[in-house]
Amino acid sequence: EAGVAQSPRYKIIEKRQSVAFWCNPISGHATLYWYQQILGQGPKLLIQFQNNGVVDDSQLPKDRFSAERLKGVDSTLKIQPAKLEDSAVYLCASSLDQFRAEQFFGPGTRLTVL
Amino acid sequence: GQNIDQPTEMTATEGAIVQINCTYQTSGFNGLFWYQQHAGEAPTFLSYNVLDGLEEKGRFSSFLSRSKGYSYLLLKELQMKDSASYLCAAPDSNYQLIWGAGTKLIIKP
Repeated sequence: EAGVAQSPRYKIIEKRQSVAFWCNPISGHATLYWYQQILGQGPKLLIQFQNNGVVDDSQLPKDRFSAERLKGVDSTLKIQPAKLEDSAVYLCASSLDQFRAEQFFGPGTRLTVL
Repeated sequence: GQNIDQPTEMTATEGAIVQINCTYQTSGFNGLFWYQQHAGEAPTFLSYNVLDGLEEKGRFSSFLSRSKGYSYLLLKELQMKDSASYLCAAPDSNYQLIWGAGTKLIIKP
C-alpha cells in the first residue's frame, strides 16, 4: 500500500513570495490533515478535510494561507505572501475517517523563508 | 484547557531501558497515541492505548492510566537507531489529535 505522498520535499523562498505544497493521501482515506511543525515542537493542525469539505480550519492564518481538496483526494496548501516565521516543516497526514484517529504521515516539506 | 506534557529531552545508554512519561488533559477521552519521529522525518505510529494497563510490542511497551491522565512509553534494549523524538498525542472530543512537544531521546554508546 502506497503511503502519503508530498512534494516538494524542500523549498527555499524569500519573504513575500508565494509557495504551494501538494499532498496525495493513502487511497481510500477520507480525512486529510495539514500540520505545521516548527523545530522542537509538536505538529500544529492547520486544516482538516473530510472528503472535500473543511472540518476545522480554526488555526489556519487565513490572511496568507489557503488550502483546498477539490475532488476529495489530492490537496494543496498555499502560502501567499510568506513570512520569516513560516519557516517550518509542513506535514500532510491522512486517516480512514475523522473518527479513526490513527494518522499516517507523509515525509513533509521543509520550508525555509529567507 | 487541553494539554499534553512530556519531558523535553532524555539521555540513555545503549542496551539500557528508558521510560518516557506523558500527562494529558483533553476534553473527553478517545485513547492515547505514541509516535516516533526521527530527525528530518515524519512521525510514525508506535502505539495506541484506550484501556488501562500495559501493552507490549516487542522492545516497546506503552502504559495508560486514565484515572491519572498518565501514560508512559517504555523502550528496552536500547539501540542507537532509537535516537529520535517521541511524541505523545491524544484525540479530543472531536477526534482531533492534541500533540505534546515531543521528548528528544539521545542514546549514548
